[in-house]
Amino acid sequence: DTGVSQDPRHKITKRGQNVTFRCDPISEHNRLYWYRQTLGQGPEFLTYFQNEAQLEKSRLLSDRFSAERPKGSFSTLEIQRTEQGDSAMYLCASTLFPRSRVGNEQFFGPGTRLTVL
Amino acid sequence: AQRVTQPEKLLSVFKGAPVELKCNYSYSGSPELFWYVQYSRQRLQLLLRHISRESIKGFTADLNKGETSFHLKKPFAQEEDSAMYYCALSDGGQGAQKLVFGQGTRLTINP
Repeated sequence: DTGVSQDPRHKITKRGQNVTFRCDPISEHNRLYWYRQTLGQGPEFLTYFQNEAQLEKSRLLSDRFSAERPKGSFSTLEIQRTEQGDSAMYLCASTLFPRSRVGNEQFFGPGTRLTVL
Repeated sequence: AQRVTQPEKLLSVFKGAPVELKCNYSYSGSPELFWYVQYSRQRLQLLLRHISRESIKGFTADLNKGETSFHLKKPFAQEEDSAMYYCALSDGGQGAQKLVFGQGTRLTINP
C-alpha cells in the first residue's frame, strides 16, 4: 500500500459535461474525506464518509455534486453539468477513526486537477 | 465559526536565518492544531501536530490558547524548507474531525 491514490490526476472538460473522480484510501482507513482547493487558497472540506456512510456534506457541495463510497473502500466524486467555477484541485484524504496510535492524522492523495473550459 | 488565518501569503528569508510562520485560529472548543507542508510536486503531508509537542525537521509550534495562535518556528532555515505551509485545525472530540485550513504561506529560503 503506497498511500492514498487518486485518478485521474488531471481532467480537462467542457462546460456542461459530467466528470467523475476516484479515490482509493489507505486500506485499513475507515474515514475518507474530500476537499477542494482553488488557486491561492487552502483546501476546503466538501464531505466525508465513515465506512460506506456519508456523514456530513459542506454547503459547498451543491446538488450537482454527488459522492459515494459503496463498499467502504474506494470513493467516487461526480460533478454534473460542470461550470467554470468548478475548476480546482480535488483532494482526497483518509484516516483511521477512532484515533490510530499516530493520532488524528489525515493522509492526502495527490489530487485531481479539474479544468473546465 | 471555525477559522484559521495565516496573515502572510509569502515569506522569504535567507538560509540560516530564523523563520516564523504565523497562524491564528478561531474555535469555540478544544481544537487540535496541525501544520501541513507541501513541497514542490509532492502531496500535502503532516509536518507536526500540537498534541505531540514534537520537533520535526527542526520546526516547533506552540499552542497559545490565550492568543489563539499556533505559530511555526525554526531557528535556522535551510534551503530544503522552501515549500507551501498550511495551518489547520480540527475539532478535538468525536465529531467529523474535518480539517479547516488557512490560506497557506509560501516560504522561500534564499541561499
